[in-house]
Amino acid sequence: AQSVSQHNHHVILSEAASLELGCNYSYGGTVNLFWYVQYPGQHLQLLLKYFSGDPLVKGIKGFEAEFIKSKFSFNLRKPSVQWSDTAEYFCAVNHFGGNQFYFGTGTSLTVIP
Amino acid sequence: EPEVTQTPSHQVTQMGQEVILRCVPISNHLYFYWYRQILGQKVEFLVSFYNNEISEKSEIFDDQFSVERPDGSNFTLKIRSTKLEDSAMYFCASTGTAQETQYFGPGTRLLVL
Repeated sequence: AQSVSQHNHHVILSEAASLELGCNYSYGGTVNLFWYVQYPGQHLQLLLKYFSGDPLVKGIKGFEAEFIKSKFSFNLRKPSVQWSDTAEYFCAVNHFGGNQFYFGTGTSLTVIP
Repeated sequence: EPEVTQTPSHQVTQMGQEVILRCVPISNHLYFYWYRQILGQKVEFLVSFYNNEISEKSEIFDDQFSVERPDGSNFTLKIRSTKLEDSAMYFCASTGTAQETQYFGPGTRLLVL
C-alpha cells in the first residue's frame, strides 16, 4: 500500500533560520507530488506541486521543493522562515491516473520571533 | 478566487445518530472528494466522486457512509449511524480534472458523544 512519510513531526525554528521538511513516498510508479499548508484555524492550501519537468519547483511565499526520484523524496525548503510560516505542513502524493491523494502525517512548524 | 465551502463548521451529535455534512465545490469542477483528519493524525482519503458515481473509496468508507450530489451545486457526505471514532475533521475537495490540484474546503469538525 502507498505510504507517505514525514519524518519531522514538530519543528521549532527562530525567524530567519532555514527550513527543510522531509517527505518520502513508497509508490514506484509515476506520481504527482504536493505540499499543502494549514495555517491555524484555516483549511488546507496548496504551497507547490510537481507533475513533471524540472524537479526543483518553486511555490508561494518563498517555498521550494526538490523531487529526487531515486530517493522517492520531495523535501520542502525555505531559506529564511518568518513567524507567519507557523503552520502544519502536509506532503501528499497522487498516483498518475488515479484520483486518490495520500497524505503524510504532517509536520507542525513553529517559528519563534 | 473561487473557494470550496462546507457547512456546518462544527457538528455535535449523539452516537447512533445520522449526520449529513455539506460541501459546495468550485462551480466548474467535476471531481469531488471527502477526506477526514482524526485529531493528531494524518489526513485520510475517504471517497472520490465523478459523473454522479463513486470512482474510488478507501477501506474507511464502509456501508455507514454515503455520498450524494443532490443538485448541481452541493456534494454531501452522510454517516448513517455515527460512532465515537467518527469524531474528526471532515474535508471536502474538488478539482476540474482528476490530475489537477485539489482545492480544499475549511472542514467540518464532527464530534460524536
